[in-house]
Amino acid sequence: AQKVTQAQTEISVVEKEDVTLDCVYETRDTTYYLFWYKQPPSGELVFLIRRNSFDEQNEISGRYSWNFQKSTSSFNFTITASQVVDSAVYFCALSEATGGFKTIFGAGTRLFVKA
Amino acid sequence: EAGVAQSPRYKIIEKRQSVAFWCNPISGHATLYWYQQILGQGPKLLIQFQNNGVVDDSQLPKDRFSAERLKGVDSTLKIQPAKLEDSAVYLCASSLGYTQYFGPGTRLTVL
Repeated sequence: AQKVTQAQTEISVVEKEDVTLDCVYETRDTTYYLFWYKQPPSGELVFLIRRNSFDEQNEISGRYSWNFQKSTSSFNFTITASQVVDSAVYFCALSEATGGFKTIFGAGTRLFVKA
Repeated sequence: EAGVAQSPRYKIIEKRQSVAFWCNPISGHATLYWYQQILGQGPKLLIQFQNNGVVDDSQLPKDRFSAERLKGVDSTLKIQPAKLEDSAVYLCASSLGYTQYFGPGTRLTVL
């Protein structure tokens, strides 16, 4: 059965600090997708990144970077030099090929960035 | 390109009343999803449509929830009768491939 665990419920940092949000997943499939979404106070989930199970390359996009490690079933998200606008709830999600790529979300990590 | 539209944004009703939410997906997106997000939790899939057919409704409480997607575009989610535990944000999403794009959600409060 698929499962996504975001063990960090809340994280608080001071602006310009780096912060890493952890995501651990469980799946028996060899074909799956992993996602990160951002949910600002407005409520809309904003897509950040998608990774498929065959691509373990890390990715960097501006101040955001993602580390995908199949050996530890983790897909961690790092924000470098955090800003107040990064304050939001961040969700990690998993879609498996089995079951038609139904998406399961983690419980989310609430990030507070203080000025 | 316009995003996923939802209405209303907020709704307050009393228990046992009925309520309906509307969603208009991104143009051309064949797949449409309804999620329920209870405060402090991640979204939970209620129903998934592919065009106007249901792909997955295994977590939809069918005794009180119903959804339709006529003509494979807009969709409506209805709750009748509402219970206190239905208080949540109802999110609509659409996709063309594997990535889902979400609307702003409807915040439902059941008193």
